[in-house]
Amino acid sequence: EIVLTQSPATLSLSPGERATLSCRASQSVGSYLAWYQQKPGQAPRLLVYDASNRATGIPARFSGSGSGTDFTLTISSLEPEDFAIYYCQQRTNWPLALTFGGGTKVEIK
Amino acid sequence: EVQLLESGGGLVQPGGSLRLSCAASGFTFSNYAMTWVRRAPGKGLEWLSAIGGSGDDTYYADSVKGRFTISRDNSRNTLYLQMDRLSAEDTAIYVCARTFNWYFHLWGRGTLVTVSS
Repeated sequence: EIVLTQSPATLSLSPGERATLSCRASQSVGSYLAWYQQKPGQAPRLLVYDASNRATGIPARFSGSGSGTDFTLTISSLEPEDFAIYYCQQRTNWPLALTFGGGTKVEIK
Repeated sequence: EVQLLESGGGLVQPGGSLRLSCAASGFTFSNYAMTWVRRAPGKGLEWLSAIGGSGDDTYYADSVKGRFTISRDNSRNTLYLQMDRLSAEDTAIYVCARTFNWYFHLWGRGTLVTVSS
């Protein structure tokens, strides 16, 4: 089973600052990695898929990068609505296995 | 409106069973693979099971294989999760999600399952 480790667990930043979130896989997942944002009381929202492709309607300040075992989600300039929990997720096709990281909470400093 | 609405959660005794439903609306249900995910108290997201659009292909996480059964009724636009031999470790919010290329594009709000005597 592939394990995804996200770091840091909590990121304390101010609006306008740059956020860099990390997701590390225990073995290579190629580019099959996604990022989600979840706010309290809301369902998660897909931000990025296949490591670097923004989902429909996602602002350009969100960008994903990486391949293999090391991935990064960057928020170039934090907006007030960006303070939330972020999860990474990988997919393995044979056999199908979908796993999530433990999450990074981006909080207001 | 495109949405997923789960139901069927509640309190169940250890060893008991429960059947969850997920009603889909606003899109062509049979065109999409569907999944169940859960979040236990104080824990992260855990994928449980998936089913292809036709219902012919099903997949399970090791943690629920042999105890949970996923199914769908495309005529009713509804996804199901039959859960048997439940234990306290299964206490969680259960969420259905629509997937594309095995990424989760649309999520429900979830239904709470509590396993306790």
